[in-house]
Amino acid sequence: QQQVRQSPQSLTVWEGETAILNCSYEDSTFDYFPWYWQFPRESPALLIAIRPVSNKKEDGRFTIFFNKREKKLSLHITDSQPGDSATYFCAAPTGGYKVVFGSGTRLLVSP
Amino acid sequence: DPKIIQKPKYLVAVTGSEKILICEQYLGHNAMYWYRQSAKKPLEFMFSYSYQKLMDNQTASSRFQPQSSKKNHLDLQITALKPDDSATYFCASSQELNSGNTLYFGEGSRLIVV
Repeated sequence: QQQVRQSPQSLTVWEGETAILNCSYEDSTFDYFPWYWQFPRESPALLIAIRPVSNKKEDGRFTIFFNKREKKLSLHITDSQPGDSATYFCAAPTGGYKVVFGSGTRLLVSP
Repeated sequence: DPKIIQKPKYLVAVTGSEKILICEQYLGHNAMYWYRQSAKKPLEFMFSYSYQKLMDNQTASSRFQPQSSKKNHLDLQITALKPDDSATYFCASSQELNSGNTLYFGEGSRLIVV
C-alpha cells in the first residue's frame, strides 16, 4: 500500500508559469512533510518542508500548501524557470524508522 | 567534496554473483539508510540504522545484508544477484533517526546485473 501518493506523474509548463505538484497521504500521524528534488544523474536533495502545525510554508518561489483535513499537500512553483526542471518527491517519516517517498512528479519547464 | 562517499559509482555484475556497495559519511550523523531507485520503484526504502543498530528493514529478500563496521559506515552486501536488482542504490544519512531530520544522499552506486 502506497503511503504517499503524487500527481501528476509528469508536468510541463512554460517558463514564467506556476507549476502545481500534488501529494496525498494515508496516515494521519505523519507530522513532517519534506519535498526533495532530484536533477538528472544526481541524488535527491531537500527543497522545502512543512509541519502540520502550519498550512503554508514559503521559500522564495516555492510554497507548500497543506490541508490536514483532506490529507493533501501541494507544492507551487511560481515564475517557473528551466533550471527548475527536475523530479520532485513528496515524502513523510513514518511511525517506524524510515522516510517514505512518493513516486515523484517529473517537471519540465520549457523556455 | 562529497560528504557521503559511495563506492563504486558504477558496476556491472553477472547474475548469481555477489557484490558489496560501500558507504561512508563524514557529516557526523547518527542515522544511516539505504534506498534503491529504479524505473519501476523510485526511491524505495531498504534499511535504516541508528548508532550502528538496525532499526527498520523493508527488504523482503535476505540476499540484501547491510553491514555497519563503524558508526559512519553502512555497506550493503548483495548476494545471488538477479537482473531485477539492477538499480541505483543510494546511501543516505541524517543527524538522528526521528522525524524532522533532513536526509542527505550520497551520489549513488549504479548497479547493472547481466
